[in-house]
Amino acid sequence: DVVLTQTPPTLSATIGQSVSISCRSSQSLLDSDGDTYLNWLLQRPGQSPQLLIYSVSNLESGVPNRFSGSGSETDFTLKISGVEAEDLGVYYCMQATHAPLTFGSGTKLEIK
Amino acid sequence: QIQLVQSGPELKKPGESVKISCKASGYTFTNYGMYWVKQAPGQGLQYMGWINTETGKPTYADDFKGRFVFFLETSASTAYLQINNLKNEDMATYFCASPHHWGQGVMVTVSS
Repeated sequence: DVVLTQTPPTLSATIGQSVSISCRSSQSLLDSDGDTYLNWLLQRPGQSPQLLIYSVSNLESGVPNRFSGSGSETDFTLKISGVEAEDLGVYYCMQATHAPLTFGSGTKLEIK
Repeated sequence: QIQLVQSGPELKKPGESVKISCKASGYTFTNYGMYWVKQAPGQGLQYMGWINTETGKPTYADDFKGRFVFFLETSASTAYLQINNLKNEDMATYFCASPHHWGQGVMVTVSS
């Protein structure tokens, strides 16, 4: 199975600060169809996960554009440009290129 | 708008069965597969498998072969997860998800 390693495990940020989360894959996530099925999810406390970014860098409808995704092959980054209070929670990367689908272990974002 | 609405919390005894529903609305049910994800208390996300909503064919992740059953009621745009012979380690929140949307989750408590 593909292992997704997220760093850091926890992140503490002030309002307005920009932060990045890394997701490294144990194998390339470039699919034979040319797409890379690496998504980012946010799970706020007590809520279900919500999709933020799909296929590396595509912003899900309704998600603020302070969120952005980048990367390729095995190395991916989620950036929040100007953290807001509502951004606290656990961020997960998720890959769907290789079966079975797998998740990273999560990065908990705390607001200072 | 697209919604996945799951059934309510469950309290069961070890050895019993539980059936969780996930009703989809706002899109054509058979256009997207339905995924199931387990989240044990305080833990991350674990992929359980998915069901092809066009054919009804389920695919189970290795850890979920045997006691876990995915099935559909297509006429009601509803997917189901049934867990048989419940064990203590099944105590968790179970989410259904289409590629871009998640249900609110169902907490299953297993206690004698």
